Amino acid sequence: GAVVSQHPSRVICKSGTSVKIECRSLDFQATTMFWYRQFPKKSLMLMATSNEGSKATYEQGVEKDKFLINHASLTLSTLTVTSAHPEDSSFYICSATPPGRYQPQHFGDGTRLSIL
Amino acid sequence: AQSVSQHNHHVILSEAASLELGCNYSYGGTVNLFWYVQYPGQHLQLLLKYFSGDPLVKGIKGFEAEFIKSKFSFNLRKPSVQWSDTAEYFCAVRRDDKIIFGKGTRLHILP
Repeated sequence: GAVVSQHPSRVICKSGTSVKIECRSLDFQATTMFWYRQFPKKSLMLMATSNEGSKATYEQGVEKDKFLINHASLTLSTLTVTSAHPEDSSFYICSATPPGRYQPQHFGDGTRLSIL
Repeated sequence: AQSVSQHNHHVILSEAASLELGCNYSYGGTVNLFWYVQYPGQHLQLLLKYFSGDPLVKGIKGFEAEFIKSKFSFNLRKPSVQWSDTAEYFCAVRRDDKIIFGKGTRLHILP
């Protein structure tokens, strides 16, 4: 079945560091990938839609300069949290939908980001 | 504002009890509907999905959900829960290629 791989699974770093998270579709091509953030005891919040070969589309309230998204190929999207601060600590999840009419989104395992 | 509402934030049941988790959405037009489950320490997994056709959808692990268009609802059900069903359950609606999630329902099954 369709697999979405996310790396790394956990990151702990100092405040001010930039952190890159990768999302790969392993056995299908994805022109669109999605990035979510999950706060403790809360739902998944869509941050942005990553579009291959063009700029990402950000949801209202999400800082574009803070969360840089690059979708350089049909199987890879990256999310870079720039100059991370403790309030950026969260669980970040990517997803992609395989081609086909009745395909659900497939999620990566998530990245737990902890900023000290 | 368009939204997905899950009515129960935390549900506690004994094993073998029946389960129904509510989900309502406020989008008009054609939508795709999903229920995802997140077991403790694990990633999201798809339980079931509705795109079209029979509004009663069967999923994995004995779960089912019924799409009632007139009520904008997609409630999740299971006739007899097990301890291993302890998890967080998310209802999600896809429209225009975006998925919006409900806030989740934390289900705790007592052995």
